[in-house]
Amino acid sequence: DAGVIQSPRHEVTEMGQEVTLRCKPISGHDYLFWYRQTMMRGLELLIYFNNNVPIDDSGMPEDRFSAKMPNASFSTLKIQPSEPRDSAVYFCASSRTGAYQPQHFGDGTRLSIL
Amino acid sequence: TQLLEQSPQFLSIQEGENLTVYCNSSSVFSSLQWYRQEPGEGPVLLVTVVTGGEVKKLKRLTFQFGDARKDSSLHITAAQPGDTGLYLCAGARYAGGTSYGKLTFGQGTILTVHP
Repeated sequence: DAGVIQSPRHEVTEMGQEVTLRCKPISGHDYLFWYRQTMMRGLELLIYFNNNVPIDDSGMPEDRFSAKMPNASFSTLKIQPSEPRDSAVYFCASSRTGAYQPQHFGDGTRLSIL
Repeated sequence: TQLLEQSPQFLSIQEGENLTVYCNSSSVFSSLQWYRQEPGEGPVLLVTVVTGGEVKKLKRLTFQFGDARKDSSLHITAAQPGDTGLYLCAGARYAGGTSYGKLTFGQGTILTVHP
């Protein structure tokens, strides 16, 4: 089976621009997670979905961040407007329902805001 | 709020040495997972421990879950350069329903094994 697929792998853009990160979870997984990883703060959960419905968005830093999951095979994380402090590696992960299920991570999007 | 404290943050050792990484919390977790992350990739699951006092072995890696389910350790015997990477512990609390699956990650331990 294909793993979690994220695009783009790298994104460099100027401050103020809109950024859209994309994720295709593993087929059959009903949980989808968006994380942000930095050296200072480690791996932080931003938001997660269950069966395409957002369950917990308490980790979203501010209103500039939004996430959608229009169907079971696609999710987006959007930043508008972007700021230099948003520079980080953003990961998408998916898992099945059930206790002790592992999360399967994509290879991440390295985002640089100039 | 950082609920899982990992130590040490950095570990640099020679090939063949043994090492232990610790993951501590003041909270009880239903289960604890260990992940390994290599540069340019996402974390990959190594093991899940679910019972207090549980010990799991994966070749040269030994994982232990504390009796009170608040802490865990990862011990590597005779480390090899291929063990180099970021090691992350992650705890989960299951309250039923949609809380399933949410993990709290530690800050990670960066391990470098020199040939």
